[in-house]
Amino acid sequence: SQKIEQNSEALNIQEGKTATLTCNYTNYSPAYLQWYRQDPGRGPVFLLLIRENEKEKRKERLKVTFDTTLKQSLFHITASQPADSATYLCALDSGGSQGNLIFGKGTKLSVKP
Amino acid sequence: DAGITQSPRHKVTETGTPVTLRCHQTENHRYMYWYRQDPGHGLRLIHYSYGVKDTDKGEVSDGYSVSRSKTEDFLLTLESATSSQTSVYFCAIRTQEDEKLFFGSGTQLSVL
Repeated sequence: SQKIEQNSEALNIQEGKTATLTCNYTNYSPAYLQWYRQDPGRGPVFLLLIRENEKEKRKERLKVTFDTTLKQSLFHITASQPADSATYLCALDSGGSQGNLIFGKGTKLSVKP
Repeated sequence: DAGITQSPRHKVTETGTPVTLRCHQTENHRYMYWYRQDPGHGLRLIHYSYGVKDTDKGEVSDGYSVSRSKTEDFLLTLESATSSQTSVYFCAIRTQEDEKLFFGSGTQLSVL
């Protein structure tokens, strides 16, 4: 069956460092992968989308890579700030005609001052 | 929030009672989704809609039904609520031109 794993439930880092979050998948060939941010008590908010033919995508301090051979995406936040503390979710298209997304369980990032 | 409103925001109900959650959007997007989010499981798709009166099941549809009689409203009904349906429910919309989802603020449902 299709499976998505985010490598850690929680990640603690020091302010100013780079946070790296991992998303692995099996039994998929997704056309694209997305990353979302979720704050407590709120719905997820879209951050970045990367397609299968793209190796890397950047948006301000965020960078996403997509390796279809390794079946892995890495999500980086450079120069992290306490305001970056949140849960980050990866999501892949399920391959169906309606483009439904399947989500990982998320990684809770805490950035300490 | 892309014009998405979920109601109610919080609800406590008893086992065996019917419950309806409402998702309302103001931008006439074609695709609407209902997800539930539980610790240890992440977001799981319950049902989705790709147009008025066009709906289909997701990964965890047992015990739920949906209706979409007009573009702006997508209703999720628990015919007879069970304690296992205690969860946070999120509605989401997607534009036809884009793959990203916009989520509502969620409904916290407790079934006692």
